[in-house]
Amino acid sequence: SAVISQKPSRDICQRGTSLTIQCQVDSQVTMMFWYRQQPGQSLTLIATANQGSEATYESGFVIDKFPISRPNLTFSTLTVSNMSPEDSSIYLCSGVRTGGEKTQYFGPGTRLLVL
Amino acid sequence: QKEVEQNSGPLSVPEGAIASLNCTYSDRGSQSFFWYRQYSGKSPELIMSIYSNGDKEDGRFTAQLNKASQYVSLLIRDSQPSDSATYLCAVNTGGFKTIFGAGTRLFVKA
Repeated sequence: SAVISQKPSRDICQRGTSLTIQCQVDSQVTMMFWYRQQPGQSLTLIATANQGSEATYESGFVIDKFPISRPNLTFSTLTVSNMSPEDSSIYLCSGVRTGGEKTQYFGPGTRLLVL
Repeated sequence: QKEVEQNSGPLSVPEGAIASLNCTYSDRGSQSFFWYRQYSGKSPELIMSIYSNGDKEDGRFTAQLNKASQYVSLLIRDSQPSDSATYLCAVNTGGFKTIFGAGTRLFVKA
């Protein structure tokens, strides 16, 4: 399996502030994704992190709210900007390894609570 | 729109029984199929992958794929309380993006 780490593992933030989540993957990972999982819900894809270029966002997610960087193959950040309590969620970094199986692996997640 | 459908449950089975989890998908071009287990408060963990029609066994887990019926299932034999979790079905249609179902909650009663 791919090795994916995230930090912070959890945070409590005040509304109106921003939080940047970092994700580090092993060198076997090619594609990187960011997901959100709200309490009791399934995974929602936020965006595909593209190396050296702008991320590809899914419907309902915009760069101003969720800026994403991927300066190199193994590192990406997701920022949750101008947070509100509705942003309270688990944010998951995910990666797909090289090779034909396209198996997707997940980091441990960042649990965010916005007060 | 490509979809992956699962019964949300909860599915409740007694300890030692077989738990059967089902999933259907809409895109006939789908090529890769995965089952993830997610414990409460944790991230999804891959437990099975299957790529061709038929059964694939790994320990107490058996994945079954029927592409003609667009149906994939997961059987858990000798279910244990530690198997209690949400099980996510995931389907890859050929690109690098995988579509996840909403998950089925499984409770194994001791």
